[in-house]
Amino acid sequence: KNQVEQSPQSLIILEGKNCTLQCNYTVSPFSNLRWYKQDTGRGPVSLTIMTFSENTKSNGRYTATLDADTKQSSLHITASQLSDSASYICVVTDYGNNRLAFGKGNQVVVIP
Amino acid sequence: NAGVTQTPKFQVLKTGQSMTLQCAQDMNHEYMSWYRQDPGMGLRLIHYSVGAGITDQGEVPNGYNVSRSTTEDFPLRLLSAAPSQTSVYFCASSETGTANAGYGYTFGSGTRLTVV
Repeated sequence: KNQVEQSPQSLIILEGKNCTLQCNYTVSPFSNLRWYKQDTGRGPVSLTIMTFSENTKSNGRYTATLDADTKQSSLHITASQLSDSASYICVVTDYGNNRLAFGKGNQVVVIP
Repeated sequence: NAGVTQTPKFQVLKTGQSMTLQCAQDMNHEYMSWYRQDPGMGLRLIHYSVGAGITDQGEVPNGYNVSRSTTEDFPLRLLSAAPSQTSVYFCASSETGTANAGYGYTFGSGTRLTVV
């Protein structure tokens, strides 16, 4: 049973366009939700971290939102660049055991 | 800053062979962990350590051993490699393993292991 579901699994967008990635989770209670960017052949790199009380967090062209009531988060990428081509992973920390629950990732390909 | 360093980057083993994946961090982080990443699945926790001398099992510990003799190093040992252990392995560290926000996890660049 996967506690973190991400959609779409993959998408292709034109350079300069915006896109939004979705994350639905069932982890409860949770302490924080993180978005990571993973380039091909590299380890995940943290983009944002939000506690259960935060609604939005930005990091440059990346903006994450969180709705703890509906257990949904989104990652919005503004004015995409070729370097945004990567997998974006949603990670939720289980408050009870401090374990991280990982989504399978959203694979984003930005084309010129 | 080196961050989290994993070696080797690539490895091919024959079934039954043993090997150690190395992980070192220079951030004085107390918490270190090992994950495996398989196609179509999220990262899964193998073993973790909350400090030198303390280790515990994660979600998929079978076939792997760990030890933590120093704060800096957290090697992962495969005693008898099996094809099911073909995967990409990531080591991660954090200032603390608690659930508090703001304590990000730093990941290494990974070791791609193939068992034939």
